[in-house]
Amino acid sequence: DAGITQSPRHKVTETGTPVTLRCHQTENHRYMYWYRQDPGHGLRLIHYSYGVKDTDKGEVSDGYSVSRSKTEDFLLTLESATSSQTSVYFCAISEKGNTGQLNSPLHFGNGTRLTVT
Amino acid sequence: DQQVKQNSPSLSVQEGRISILNCDYTNSMFDYFLWYKKYPAEGPTFLISISSIKDKNEDGRFTVFLNKSAKHLSLHIVPSQPGDSAVYFCARYTGANSKLTFGKGITLSVRP
Repeated sequence: DAGITQSPRHKVTETGTPVTLRCHQTENHRYMYWYRQDPGHGLRLIHYSYGVKDTDKGEVSDGYSVSRSKTEDFLLTLESATSSQTSVYFCAISEKGNTGQLNSPLHFGNGTRLTVT
Repeated sequence: DQQVKQNSPSLSVQEGRISILNCDYTNSMFDYFLWYKKYPAEGPTFLISISSIKDKNEDGRFTVFLNKSAKHLSLHIVPSQPGDSAVYFCARYTGANSKLTFGKGITLSVRP
């Protein structure tokens, strides 16, 4: 298994509170991603990083921010959590950015289940 | 628009038989299609991919077929095993914008 650790694994929080999810990798991969999985939507990209301090938005980035101060850590922050952000969040890493190719598929962590009440 | 459609939410097959998971797409611009498999409480894992220049790719019990004229691909699992019970995501990758788009997923149940 790729060395990816997501913390916490489960979290319940109240609407309006800030929440930070952490992704830690031991593979020294350059690319890191945050996805959310919701019923009826599959996996949707929130933000991604292509290096330390280099990040960009995905398709559902509103309400989320990210930071990457070290190669191994990628943080996802919900500035003010809303019920629509109740979801399962997956971190993924890739050695290269061309994640469609056999030599650089996405490797996912085991997810964080976030409930916003 | 780079939609990936997995129109059947679930599939149930008998152990030993063939499982066929389908995926349709709009817009012909892509470089690869990929399949990811996901067990409960775990992250998805890469299973198999196919390049846009191929019409078939095989890896053990798993074969993916690509029909570009119909904008359709399918994943065949032969023979199906109970351990194959999982959610399967179809995803398309477009190198021009480095975009990976996932379908909604299909839940496969293989009955012993």
